[in-house]
Amino acid sequence: GENVEQHPSTLSVQEGDSAVIKCTYSDSASNYFPWYKQELGKRPQLIIDIRSNVGEKKDQRIAVTLNKTAKHFSLHITETQPEDSAVYFCAALTGGGNKLTFGTGTQLKVEL
Amino acid sequence: GAGVSQSPSNKVTEKGKDVELRCDPISGHTALYWYRQSLGQGLEFLIYFQGNSAPDKSGLPSDRFSAERTGGSVSTLTIQRTQQEDSAVYLCASSPVMNQPQHFGDGTRLSIL
Repeated sequence: GENVEQHPSTLSVQEGDSAVIKCTYSDSASNYFPWYKQELGKRPQLIIDIRSNVGEKKDQRIAVTLNKTAKHFSLHITETQPEDSAVYFCAALTGGGNKLTFGTGTQLKVEL
Repeated sequence: GAGVSQSPSNKVTEKGKDVELRCDPISGHTALYWYRQSLGQGLEFLIYFQGNSAPDKSGLPSDRFSAERTGGSVSTLTIQRTQQEDSAVYLCASSPVMNQPQHFGDGTRLSIL
């Protein structure tokens, strides 16, 4: 089955700096890659996603890149703010498009 | 509009008891998913429903777990003879159809004593 690996597990940056979280997946048939932000005790919230027919997508301070050949995708957050502090999960849609396989999460801390 | 609604928000029960968790998806969403999140862990797929098709139960960890979806809307996840390792947050998500963005509910925090 699909396996998604996520790095780093924790990331601490200074306010205003950029943060990058990386994921790799194993199933070459995966074609949809969302990123979720989860604050403590809250639901995971979809922040950005990308499909396999594009290499990059941007939404304000957030961008995602996809390298299908390497089976690798990354989340980039620029000009980080304290409210960006949360756990971020990457995921890959597989199993014929009916299940998300999640990475193990990255705890991002933005320090003042 | 209304998001995915789950109940109860918290459930504490004794080992060996049965529990039922409820999920009300976003109106019009035909795809519904259950995931489990253990403390400090990622989300683990449990089961998926798409319209009237047979559900994908491949993620259910044991035969103590079952789920149904009546009328293509509300779903219940049932855990029989609960064990302490069942303690986790159970999250439900829905999407308009399969292969579309999934939106999560707040989850049910299940604690087995």
